[in-house]
Amino acid sequence: QKEVEQDPGPLSVPEGAIVSLNCTYSNSAFQYFMWYRQYSRKGPELLMYTYSSGNKEDGRFTAQVDKSSKYISLFIRDSQPSDSATYLCARGWRFGAGTRLTVKP
Amino acid sequence: ETGVTQTPRHLVMGMTNKKSLKCEQHLGHNAMYWYKQSAKKPLELMFVYSLEERVENNSVPSRFSPECPNSSHLFLHLHTLQPEDSALYLCASSQDPTGTDNSPLHFGNGTRLTVT
Repeated sequence: QKEVEQDPGPLSVPEGAIVSLNCTYSNSAFQYFMWYRQYSRKGPELLMYTYSSGNKEDGRFTAQVDKSSKYISLFIRDSQPSDSATYLCARGWRFGAGTRLTVKP
Repeated sequence: ETGVTQTPRHLVMGMTNKKSLKCEQHLGHNAMYWYKQSAKKPLELMFVYSLEERVENNSVPSRFSPECPNSSHLFLHLHTLQPEDSALYLCASSQDPTGTDNSPLHFGNGTRLTVT
């Protein structure tokens, strides 16, 4: 079983929609989780990280960890076309498959 | 210059060629990584260097040969590659060399490799 698993999508939503991106992880000892965003022809860049369980909010983005279910989520409110990218969850140097998101105007 | 820089940005090579990819980080980090990213496939970890020593080798074919001469530079030497090796090769660095989960990675923009 992979350490971090993610549905690769793709996911297409209209502008203004709420987006939910999800990952699962296998090891309950994991403490920190990262979300990266990768635009076309660019390397991934850190978007947010969360520690243990609970929520972390940054503008339109909210990262959530549910330790009981080993579930990691990223929510994007009021999604914009500029949010179109691939979103990758990660623990350390292990990455999920990445979900390609397209936000249509 | 800041961040992680990779050269060249694009590379086309024949199956009998020898070439090298270069990565340089200006962040003072202690760990450096090579990843392979193919179309519609997850990011594949290839090599990890911690304090200039290789600590992870993810069953990568020997036609890929990494070199880390110091903590700021990382190379990936390529020889007798196959067409299926065509991909985006990403370099990254992080502060924490132990692979624990609280040290984010900083990526370069990759080298787009095409093997003909």
